Amino acid sequence: KNEVEQSPQNLTAQEGEFITINCSYSVGISALHWLQQHPGGGIVSLFMLSSGKKKHGRLIATINIQEKHSSLHITASHPRDSAVYICAVHGGATNKLIFGTGTLLAVQP
Amino acid sequence: DTAVSQTPKYLVTQMGNDKSIKCEQNLGHDTMYWYKQDSKKFLKIMFSYNNKELIINETVPNRFSPKSPDKAHLNLHINSLELGDSAVYFCASSLGQGNGYTFGSGTRLTVV
Repeated sequence: KNEVEQSPQNLTAQEGEFITINCSYSVGISALHWLQQHPGGGIVSLFMLSSGKKKHGRLIATINIQEKHSSLHITASHPRDSAVYICAVHGGATNKLIFGTGTLLAVQP
Repeated sequence: DTAVSQTPKYLVTQMGNDKSIKCEQNLGHDTMYWYKQDSKKFLKIMFSYNNKELIINETVPNRFSPKSPDKAHLNLHINSLELGDSAVYFCASSLGQGNGYTFGSGTRLTVV
């Protein structure tokens, strides 16, 4: 079982919908990251969280340290949001970045 | 200005060859990383360097040898390439471990 689990693995939404991607982890962490990878392949860091909630534009990320769970929300989704969203935690026994398997999001017009 | 730049972007080579991928960052970060993304898009760390010193070395074959001439550069040399080495390799950097990461655009390596 992977130390970082994401759900769903695949998500198709209509433009304008509110989207939630979930991430659960089983190790002690110092920080949690949400990354975005577009079809072209580049990876962009969206958020780094150690507690609470962060907002950037239409993106909101929350983390519950006690429950070892984080969510990434996208409000008013748009086709340009189509990408793979990757949750990664910094921690574990060797204090390294451990990645989830990603959520492939497709937003249809 | 590119923050983390990797070269080449694409690399096609035959089995048994030796190749290098270069990475440079101009962010003033002190920690650099190499990650491998397999065909299922799963990312995994290979190496991490802090101020030119190796701090993480995952279970990577000895054929992979990172070299960090200074804290702005982390190159990856691969000897005797095998088919299973085909993947996308990402370089990244951060200021200290666990802080915000900046990724390069990736190098797609295809071994034929």
